[in-house]
Amino acid sequence: DSGVTQTPKHLITATGQRVTLRCSPRSGDLSVYWYQQSLDQGLQFLIQYYNGEERAKGNILERFSAQQFPDLHSELNLSSLELGDSALYFCASSVGLAGGGYQETQYFGPGTRLLVL
Amino acid sequence: QKEVEQDPGPLSVPEGAIVSLNCTYSNSAFQYFMWYRQYSRKGPELLMYTYSSGNKEDGRFTAQVDKSSKYISLFIRDSQPSDSATYLCATYFGNEKLTFGTGTRLTIIP
Repeated sequence: DSGVTQTPKHLITATGQRVTLRCSPRSGDLSVYWYQQSLDQGLQFLIQYYNGEERAKGNILERFSAQQFPDLHSELNLSSLELGDSALYFCASSVGLAGGGYQETQYFGPGTRLLVL
Repeated sequence: QKEVEQDPGPLSVPEGAIVSLNCTYSNSAFQYFMWYRQYSRKGPELLMYTYSSGNKEDGRFTAQVDKSSKYISLFIRDSQPSDSATYLCATYFGNEKLTFGTGTRLTIIP
């Protein structure tokens, strides 16, 4: 168990809908990362937050947004969902030492499996 | 062309065999190389972490990086059924994002 929790585990929704995925990082970790994993693209970095502030952005669509709250949990919002958004969404956390960036070990949660019908 | 290429497998080997998993990458700036293991219905977990060229050993696992040919390998000795998982290579440089391979699904047959 990595100590990172994600809810829900599974989500089935329809095209055009909006969903919110939730992540609680390991106790004490300040950085949260979101990833999308699909069979053809593999694990793709979406966005990183550090102590409430956006730190880095990857291949995140404009229809997607995220935030990190004062209690350090994070939410990933996916809107105007398309069939191609069906994937596993992982949250990871790391200690987030200043300037640590990606050299730190990231601990992954169990993921949320999203199916868009 | 993807920045990191990895044969998706699946790869099946008998228990006790030596397993070789490989990735190639295109960006010569990549400096740090990792291997993650992902069990079914779980998130990836860091297995090995190496910097630049050379070998690193941890128990039955050896990570090898050849920067001249942009080739990274993970060797598993005395493979066990519990090693059955998907293995993902990952790399980055500086403060850039982690770039992952698509993963190789490995099954160890008892």
